[in-house]
Amino acid sequence: QSALTQPTSASGSPGQSVTISCTGTSSDIGRYNYVSWYQQHPGNAPKLVISEVTKRPSGVPDRFSGSKSGNTASLAVSGLQAEDEADYYCSSYAGRGNYVFGTGTKVTVL
Amino acid sequence: QVQLVQSGTEMKKPGASVKLSCKASGYTFTSFYIHWVRQAPGQGLEWMAQINPRDNEANYAQKFQGRVTVTRDTSTSTIYMDVISLTSEDTAIYYCAKDGGNYGDSDYWGQGTLVTVSS
Repeated sequence: QSALTQPTSASGSPGQSVTISCTGTSSDIGRYNYVSWYQQHPGNAPKLVISEVTKRPSGVPDRFSGSKSGNTASLAVSGLQAEDEADYYCSSYAGRGNYVFGTGTKVTVL
Repeated sequence: QVQLVQSGTEMKKPGASVKLSCKASGYTFTSFYIHWVRQAPGQGLEWMAQINPRDNEANYAQKFQGRVTVTRDTSTSTIYMDVISLTSEDTAIYYCAKDGGNYGDSDYWGQGTLVTVSS
């Protein structure tokens, strides 16, 4: 199972929006609506920010939103804030009890 | 409150084995899968395996089949992961994470265990 493909980096000024793509295949993202997104600050464990493509866990600001089209999922962060600067990873269910993560995207708030 | 507390730092020589633990509390242990995810220094997240604590059934990423074994002890609400034949490429932080019940939405994570493999 190959890692999902994400851009290495993305950036935006405070208050702007940034969108991160996550491209898989018809065997993972394209087949299942079980895409999650995680935020990871340096030295910390990942934190779930989106589940099941579009759902925001309790406590996650509504500035975070998820979507999917075909084999590609996306995470959008609007109204960028300094604390949004982090690494972001997508993951998808890939069938038969298996999962796959994305390659990760470093988001910089300029 | 939900907590996953992992065992401490490990230093191993190439060819050795390591057994990591993840003690869960604050929820019904048998109701949610547990995942193991690792992160090599400066690298991304890599899914390794999951276990259903209810029946001890585990699934493994193909890469780790035969080298990784995940088990559970319901009496102590603890998940274990054995990794054999360690190489320097296994140097990483290993995380356990509780599934939220919706196929991979890991809502709680352990603090991570650093495993260093070096001669």
